[in-house]
Amino acid sequence: EPEVTQTPSHQVTQMGQEVILRCVPISNHLYFYWYRQILGQKVEFLVSFYNNEISEKSEIFDDQFSVERPDGSNFTLKIRSTKLEDSAMYFCASRASGQNTGELFFGEGSRLTVL
Amino acid sequence: AQSVTQLDSQVPVFEEAPVELRCNYSSSVSVYLFWYVQYPNQGLQLLLKYLSGSTLVKGINGFEAEFNKSQTSFHLRKPSVHISDTAEYFCAVSTIKAAGNKLTFGGGTRVLVKP
Repeated sequence: EPEVTQTPSHQVTQMGQEVILRCVPISNHLYFYWYRQILGQKVEFLVSFYNNEISEKSEIFDDQFSVERPDGSNFTLKIRSTKLEDSAMYFCASRASGQNTGELFFGEGSRLTVL
Repeated sequence: AQSVTQLDSQVPVFEEAPVELRCNYSSSVSVYLFWYVQYPNQGLQLLLKYLSGSTLVKGINGFEAEFNKSQTSFHLRKPSVHISDTAEYFCAVSTIKAAGNKLTFGGGTRVLVKP
């Protein structure tokens, strides 16, 4: 069964460092998302991406964050200068074109720890 | 904007007992409703979804949920739980619109099944 894959599964970084989280969405999907879950809190929407541009972003997704689809398969989330409060589990998700029901397929997450 | 409230943050339950997880939503437009499950150290997996039609929807692993429009609720139930149902359960809503279709999650309910 096709699945969304994310790397790394866990990354530890120093405050102020840049981090790139990578995702390979399901191959025929065209809508991509990043969510985050701070430990013990709810899953929060960060950004959605379609047709090579951001379609929606939350107030969390400030200038320190960026997303990119550098080739036909990867979808990346970059945090330019990490802060302690960026420590969280980051989930990538994708959705097929024409499936206008909001059902997203999630990866297993990348745990980011900022020291 | 839409919001989701899960009234119970934790639900302890004995094996083979029934369980109900409560979910209420708020939205000014029509919605699609979802329950996702997160097993320990794993990603989010779709349990079931309500798009239209019958208000009682059945999902995987013996779970079912009932959409109640007048009460804006989408409670999840299972008549007899197993130890393996220990997980966190998230209710989510998506609005019916053309693009983006982000999911908005509730705060989650942690289910602990005891022998």
